[in-house]
Amino acid sequence: GAVVSQHPSWVICKSGTSVKIECRSLDFQATTMFWYRQFPKQSLMLMATSNEGSKATYEQGVEKDKFLINHASLTLSTLTVTSAHPEDSSFYICSARDWTGVETQYFGPGTRLLVL
Amino acid sequence: AQSVTQLDSQVPVFEEAPVELRCNYSSSVSVYLFWYVQYPNQGLQLLLKYLSGSTLVKGINGFEAEFNKSQTSFHLRKPSVHISDTAEYFCAVSERLGGAQKLVFGQGTRLTINP
Repeated sequence: GAVVSQHPSWVICKSGTSVKIECRSLDFQATTMFWYRQFPKQSLMLMATSNEGSKATYEQGVEKDKFLINHASLTLSTLTVTSAHPEDSSFYICSARDWTGVETQYFGPGTRLLVL
Repeated sequence: AQSVTQLDSQVPVFEEAPVELRCNYSSSVSVYLFWYVQYPNQGLQLLLKYLSGSTLVKGINGFEAEFNKSQTSFHLRKPSVHISDTAEYFCAVSERLGGAQKLVFGQGTRLTINP
């Protein structure tokens, strides 16, 4: 149980295009999902907290107009990187919090984004 | 605000030897504690967690950790490691507050198992 998927696992795009990453909780309902960014050989940095049916809460320094988050259902959250640039290249990881309130986040396998 | 310090960035160990990965945290309130493992180019997998109760927590793959409130530590241990344990290990903490608790991660410890 507690499986989280991400799609796509890899994406290469041209500078200026937008990229959408999906995060799904496969066997549980997640009222809250989180989006992280990880640079090579570094730890995870929280970008935003996504709550089903409401606006995401962004961490300080994260541009909400650049990283659009939608959490339309209890099993799906999406992150759209708009007008991507090479500096947006990174490993993006989502997690989902078990809706029963047990304080545990389950992580997806990550999406590697390369912007050329 | 809470913070997490993993004291060792890299830990090389021989196969079948014991290992301890150290983690200290700071917080002004009670916390939940977690250890995650990350294999190359993959997401994070939960190894174990401390929410309440017994301070010795057993997880998957033979790992265990002990919560020490007085020393604000949550060190991860395994009595005998295997080559397949080579990975990055992250300690994380979240505060016991209402709403969606955020995880704060340590810098990570790269565990390398040598034959």
